[in-house]
Amino acid sequence: EAGVAQSPRYKIIEKRQSVAFWCNPISGHATLYWYQQILGQGPKLLIQFQNNGVVDDSQLPKDRFSAERLKGVDSTLKIQPAKLEDSAVYLCASSISSGSYEQYFGPGTRLTVT
Amino acid sequence: GQQLNQSPQSMFIQEGEDVSMNCTSSSIFNTWLWYKQDPGEGPVLLIALYKAGELTSNGRLTAQFGITRKDSFLNISASIPSDVGIYFCAGHRDNDMRFGAGTRLTVKP
Repeated sequence: EAGVAQSPRYKIIEKRQSVAFWCNPISGHATLYWYQQILGQGPKLLIQFQNNGVVDDSQLPKDRFSAERLKGVDSTLKIQPAKLEDSAVYLCASSISSGSYEQYFGPGTRLTVT
Repeated sequence: GQQLNQSPQSMFIQEGEDVSMNCTSSSIFNTWLWYKQDPGEGPVLLIALYKAGELTSNGRLTAQFGITRKDSFLNISASIPSDVGIYFCAGHRDNDMRFGAGTRLTVKP
């Protein structure tokens, strides 16, 4: 069974530029999560989708971050404009449903903002 | 929000030694999970605990869900070099999952 796919794996941009990350969850998984992991810390949830609806985006900085999962499968996370403090690994995870606590993570996208 | 305090921050042990790490919180969680993260990869689920007092094993790993529901520990017995990595605890409650800051484990052959 294929795991969670993410691209790109690495991205370097200058502050004030825009960037987008893509995630393809495990087939059949209804719930998709985006996490931000700053160096030396655990992952912090940004947004959770159930199919194509948002379940929780309370920790998403909505002035600059946006995410969508239009067809309930793939998802895109965008940052516009980026700040230096956005440098982190952005992890996508999926689970079979929102009631399942067993989340499966992708390899992440390492973002460096200069 | 709920904060998870994970300790120790790092451990340096000799191959073959046993390892113990724990996670505490000021809030109650309904589920505790333990993940391992290798460099350049996402966290991988090791053990999930669903009931207070539950003790679960996965090979050389054993984890327990504290009776108060505010803590959990993970033990690794007879460590081997491939146990190297960062171990994260996570607590889940009300559709919300929080992670600890991780324990970085180094195993010397």
